[in-house]
Amino acid sequence: AQKVTQAQTEISVVEKEDVTLDCVYETRDTTYYLFWYKQPPSGELVFLIRRNSFDEQNEISGRYSWNFQKSTSSFNFTITASQVVDSAVYFCALSGSQGGSEKLVFGKGMKLTVNP
Amino acid sequence: GAGVSQSPSNKVTEKGKDVELRCDPISGHTALYWYRQSLGQGLEFLIYFQGNSAPDKSGLPSDRFSAERTGGSVSTLTIQRTQQEDSAVYLCASSLGGNLRGTQYFGPGTRLTVL
Repeated sequence: AQKVTQAQTEISVVEKEDVTLDCVYETRDTTYYLFWYKQPPSGELVFLIRRNSFDEQNEISGRYSWNFQKSTSSFNFTITASQVVDSAVYFCALSGSQGGSEKLVFGKGMKLTVNP
Repeated sequence: GAGVSQSPSNKVTEKGKDVELRCDPISGHTALYWYRQSLGQGLEFLIYFQGNSAPDKSGLPSDRFSAERTGGSVSTLTIQRTQQEDSAVYLCASSLGGNLRGTQYFGPGTRLTVL
């Protein structure tokens, strides 16, 4: 079975601090995709990044960076110099080929609060 | 470049009534998904449509839940004889689909409250 674990449920930081959101996954698929989504207080899930299982290259996009390590089944997300607008719930998700469906399996989410 | 749209945004109903929730996917997206988000259960997959293939209904919690997708575009999720535990935000997503090619983009959701 596929599973995504976000051990942290809630983090509170002060603006400009760096924060890392942890994600650990389980899957038997050899081909799979990992995702991060952001859910701000408005409620809509916003796509941030997708990474396939064959690409372990880390990625940086502005203040966001992602560290994918297959050896530890982790796909961690770091926000550098956090801002109040980063306050949201962040979800890590996994999509594989089990059963032929591309359904996403989500972690429980991590609520980030950035205080001014 | 419209995104996924859902209607209504909010629905309040009485226990035992039927409800229909609508989803309009992004134009050109062949795959459509329904998820449910509730406090106790987090984000759960409900059903997946891909083109003309038989839908994956493995996430539907009971036979009171059904969904259809007409003409490969708009989808309707129907909940019959609603129960209080059906109260949740119902999210629709669409993607280019097939062979793990598509990133799923989500609509704003329908908040369902069953009294």
